[in-house]
Amino acid sequence: KAGVTQTPRYLIKTRGQQVTLSCSPISGHRSVSWYQQTPGQGLQFLFEYFSETQRNKGNFPGRFSGRQFSNSRSEMNVSTLELGDSALYLCASSSRTVGNTEAFFGQGTRLTVV
Amino acid sequence: EDKVVQSPLSLVVHEGDTVTLNCSYEVTNFRSLLWYKQEKKAPTFLFMLTSSGIEKKSGRLSSILDKKELFSILNITATQTGDSAVYLCAVENTGNQFYFGTGTSLTVIP
Repeated sequence: KAGVTQTPRYLIKTRGQQVTLSCSPISGHRSVSWYQQTPGQGLQFLFEYFSETQRNKGNFPGRFSGRQFSNSRSEMNVSTLELGDSALYLCASSSRTVGNTEAFFGQGTRLTVV
Repeated sequence: EDKVVQSPLSLVVHEGDTVTLNCSYEVTNFRSLLWYKQEKKAPTFLFMLTSSGIEKKSGRLSSILDKKELFSILNITATQTGDSAVYLCAVENTGNQFYFGTGTSLTVIP
C-alpha cells in the first residue's frame, strides 16, 4: 500500500510569488490535512479536507488556501509569499472511519522563501 | 484556548536508560490523544489513546492516558540510539481538529 506522497520535496520561491503544493493520500483515505512546521512553532494545523469539502481551518491568513479533488488528492496554495512562510509543509491522510482517526504523514515539502 | 504542552523540551540520555515523556492538554471536546515519532520529516504513528488507564504497549514503548488529570506519558525503556527523534503529542477533538505540542527532542548517546 503506497504511503502519502507530497510533491515537490523542495521548493525555493521569492517573496511575492505564489506556490502550489500537492498531496496524494493513501488509497481509500478521504481526509487530507495540511500542517506547517517551523522550529519555533512546531506543527500547526492549516486545514482539513474531506470528500472535497474543507471541514476545518486553522488560524492562518487567507493567503493559505487549499482544495481537494474527487480522487482525494489535495493541493495547498500560498499566495503573496512572505519570508515567514518558509517552513516544512506536511500533509496527513486518514480514513476517518469510526474509531480510526490515525493520520499518516507524507515526507513533506520544504519551502524556502528568499 | 486549546493547547497541548509537552515536557521536557529536550532530553539527552545514555543507551539503556529509561525515559518518560510528558504531554498535558487543555482541549475541549476531547476525542483522542496520539503520539508520533519524527526522525527526519514525516512523523510516524506510535499510539492512539482514547480511554483512561489503559496502557498501550509496543516493544520497548508504552503509553497511558489520564483523562481526569488531562495528561499522557510515553515511556521508552532500554533506550537505543535509534530512538533519537522528536516525539510529538497530538490531541484530536470531536470536531476532527488536531492540536500538536511542540515536541520533545530525545537524543540517545551510545
